[in-house]
Amino acid sequence: KQEVTQIPAALSVPEGENLVLNCSFTDSAIYNLQWFRQDPGKGLTSLLLIQSSQREQTSGRLNASLDKSSGRSTLYIAASQPGDSATYLCAVYVGGATNKLIFGTGTLLAVQP
Amino acid sequence: SAVISQKPSRDICQRGTSLTIQCQVDSQVTMMFWYRQQPGQSLTLIATANQGSEATYESGFVIDKFPISRPNLTFSTLTVSNMSPEDSSIYLCSVSRVGGELFFGEGSRLTVL
Repeated sequence: KQEVTQIPAALSVPEGENLVLNCSFTDSAIYNLQWFRQDPGKGLTSLLLIQSSQREQTSGRLNASLDKSSGRSTLYIAASQPGDSATYLCAVYVGGATNKLIFGTGTLLAVQP
Repeated sequence: SAVISQKPSRDICQRGTSLTIQCQVDSQVTMMFWYRQQPGQSLTLIATANQGSEATYESGFVIDKFPISRPNLTFSTLTVSNMSPEDSSIYLCSVSRVGGELFFGEGSRLTVL
């Protein structure tokens, strides 16, 4: 059974700092991995999608990496800003009989001005 | 990306009543999903909404409690029936695009008294 874990559960950093969020999954047989951002009481915003054949994706100050063999992904945020404060969720898409997206537990990020 | 509109955005309901949540997408999509996010938790898939046929429910979710309609490729509804306080959650509609990227609506925050 696929399980997705995110560490740390919460993180507080001063503005301007570079930071890394971690996501681990137990079964390497995934189709893709997606990072989302969720603001309080809101829906999810897709940040980056990494296909299983890819190693990383970049969008602006965000860079996500994927290492399927070790079951790990990282989301790197450069030069953090208070507007980056949100919960970040990773999710893996498992095909076959499961055929669904399985979400991690999330990391609550607070960037202090 | 996809623009997904959900109604209502929030509601407060009495125990024993039912509420129907609507999800409208700005373009035709093959895959539509309904998720639940209980307070402080990550997302759990309720069901896949299939156009023209019965929804596919995940373990722990049944059609009598969460009936779903999908009359066409741009619209779906989720009904939460005979509500109890334990049903208080954010309910989220999502769609999948080519490549497997998932997009979410803003969610419907339900409080059951």
